[in-house]
Amino acid sequence: EDKVVQSPLSLVVHEGDTVTLNCSYEVTNFRSLLWYKQEKKAPTFLFMLTSSGIEKKSGRLSSILDKKELFSILNITATQTGDSAVYLCAVKISGGGADGLTFGKGTHLIIQP
Amino acid sequence: NAGVTQTPKFRILKIGQSMTLQCAQDMNHNYMYWYRQDPGMGLKLIYYSVGAGITDKGEVPNGYNVSRSTTEDFPLRLELAAPSQTSVYFCASSYRGGRPPYEQYFGPGTRLTVT
Repeated sequence: EDKVVQSPLSLVVHEGDTVTLNCSYEVTNFRSLLWYKQEKKAPTFLFMLTSSGIEKKSGRLSSILDKKELFSILNITATQTGDSAVYLCAVKISGGGADGLTFGKGTHLIIQP
Repeated sequence: NAGVTQTPKFRILKIGQSMTLQCAQDMNHNYMYWYRQDPGMGLKLIYYSVGAGITDKGEVPNGYNVSRSTTEDFPLRLELAAPSQTSVYFCASSYRGGRPPYEQYFGPGTRLTVT
């Protein structure tokens, strides 16, 4: 069974801190790994990673994939209260069967002023 | 573009009632998906469709049905609502053709309570 595990499940830090969120996976026919940010409603897309070792960056957020060790990390530097959200990791597989994403449970990040 | 739209936003059903959750997208995406998200959990795929007239089951299809008669619409039907179907339902779409990224776009969600 395909599995995506995120850690920690929740995290409380102060504004200005740097956080690292983890996502490990066990899937057959890995195609890509996606990170989403979910505030009150629908998830919004952050990154998609397909190649190992190549960092994707967007402002204070960055992410990298390790296909050998089967994990990804999402880094947020100089955190702000607006970064408070649930961060979801999802893995997309190729081949037959469901063509959707397998999601982890998410990391609930709270940034305190 | 409105993107992915869902109706209703909220609904309370009694056990055994039926309803249809509507989903529409105006981005000409060929792939559409239905997910459910239970409190404190990730999203689970219910059904998906790779194009008009083609649907397939995801991880948790029991108790649901879908149809895809047009590219734009992908309604989800609950025939006999049960408390276990209390959840937030998200519809998503993506364009799959050519090269990735095959980013999924999500609707705002429908919060369903079955009592």
